[in-house]
Amino acid sequence: DTEVTQTPKHLVMGMTNKKSLKCEQHMGHRAMYWYKQKAKKPPELMFVYSYEKLSINESVPSRFSPECPNSSLLNLHLHALQPEDSALYLCASSRGFGDEQYFGPGTRLTVT
Amino acid sequence: EDQVTQSPEALRLQEGESSSLNCSYTVSGLRGLFWYRQDPGKGPEFLFTLYSAGEEKEKERLKATLTKKESFLHITAPKPEDSATYLCAVGSSNTGKLIFGQGTTLQVKP
Repeated sequence: DTEVTQTPKHLVMGMTNKKSLKCEQHMGHRAMYWYKQKAKKPPELMFVYSYEKLSINESVPSRFSPECPNSSLLNLHLHALQPEDSALYLCASSRGFGDEQYFGPGTRLTVT
Repeated sequence: EDQVTQSPEALRLQEGESSSLNCSYTVSGLRGLFWYRQDPGKGPEFLFTLYSAGEEKEKERLKATLTKKESFLHITAPKPEDSATYLCAVGSSNTGKLIFGQGTTLQVKP
């Protein structure tokens, strides 16, 4: 099973809202990632967790706050987003940091 | 600087017309080269990992090859359902990150 699940599939939020994206994998992978993808562009790395610890933050604005409650779950908390943050948010996991990554279906986020 | 360049940006084929996609890369330490397929509005689907020059992997109508500076994704007798964006990424052994190319959008017409 190489499935990564993400919820919700779609999210519309106002600039003053607080929401969270969720990601789950049951492959025993120890690295998990958040990416942001704009139309016709490749995924852009935001955060990396390795063994449940944040190992990379790609200078992401503080309105995005990641959390890794356990080795299977990854959350992305959103607060005071801007319209330019509208994008497809992808979660991925890999056996170890740097190994082949398996992506979830993504959450389509629209900020109004 | 680690870099991945894919060509062409877009490719239109007739059903059954074989072709190849190119991925050229420079990386200070290659941990692996990865191919993904992405359908519109969906997450990338993992296809292949290649680790060393001369390696080849096959899956149905797709075959990926690797040299020291580039990788090819050969598509044999494509079908309309092969239409998608194909992403190439290299894993850096120094940073552990994936460096993605811009992708090749393939359209196969019946």
